[in-house]
Amino acid sequence: QAGLTQPPSVSKGLRQTATLTCTGNRNNVGYQGAAWLQQHQGHPPKLLSYRNNNRPSGISERFSASRSGNTASLTITGLQPEDEADYYCLVWDSSLSAWVFGGGTKLTVL
Amino acid sequence: EVQLVESGGGLVQPGGSLRLSCAASGFTFSSYWMHWVRQAPGEGPVWVARIHTDGSSTDYADSVKGRFTISRDNANNTLYLQMNSLRVDDTSLYYCTRGGDAFDIWGQGTMVTVS
Repeated sequence: QAGLTQPPSVSKGLRQTATLTCTGNRNNVGYQGAAWLQQHQGHPPKLLSYRNNNRPSGISERFSASRSGNTASLTITGLQPEDEADYYCLVWDSSLSAWVFGGGTKLTVL
Repeated sequence: EVQLVESGGGLVQPGGSLRLSCAASGFTFSSYWMHWVRQAPGEGPVWVARIHTDGSSTDYADSVKGRFTISRDNANNTLYLQMNSLRVDDTSLYYCTRGGDAFDIWGQGTMVTVS
């Protein structure tokens, strides 16, 4: 199993900074990094970042991704009410030859 | 407008079959790997399968290997998922999504209920 670990929930205040983590192993996060997706209730996921810190066009610079060893991180600065959503990391696992989603983190903006 | 539109979902009995379709428009379909991802109600998304640009290579999640087949028709800009031997735990919203390592375009999904 890929064994990706994301904290189930994170709560931060308006205009604060949230850092979400995704911990895997050398076959997935450590191999090629992670993509990050945001999902609001009732909507499909939306790509925020891929290959660690490439943002698709139209994605705010408030979202930035990084990786250290086997842990990928998504940092969201200046939290806004619309940032309240579920966030998933997505990795290619070279040992499974499969893409794997993390379990997701529910971000609450207080 | 870049768009993916899934269809073909519905209610099916355990052991039955369904074929999902995903119509692509607004981009050069034949240039992109394509994927199917599913999401059960209240759960996170789960990757199901992917297919190379020309259909020459496919990969599957262990949970569907041997039961599901991903395919594509580049002439008609359509992605397919043939689902056989369906089980209750295959009940999910099925999305098609574009990309190699950037799942950047998603459809709205088509619901499959096995009961």
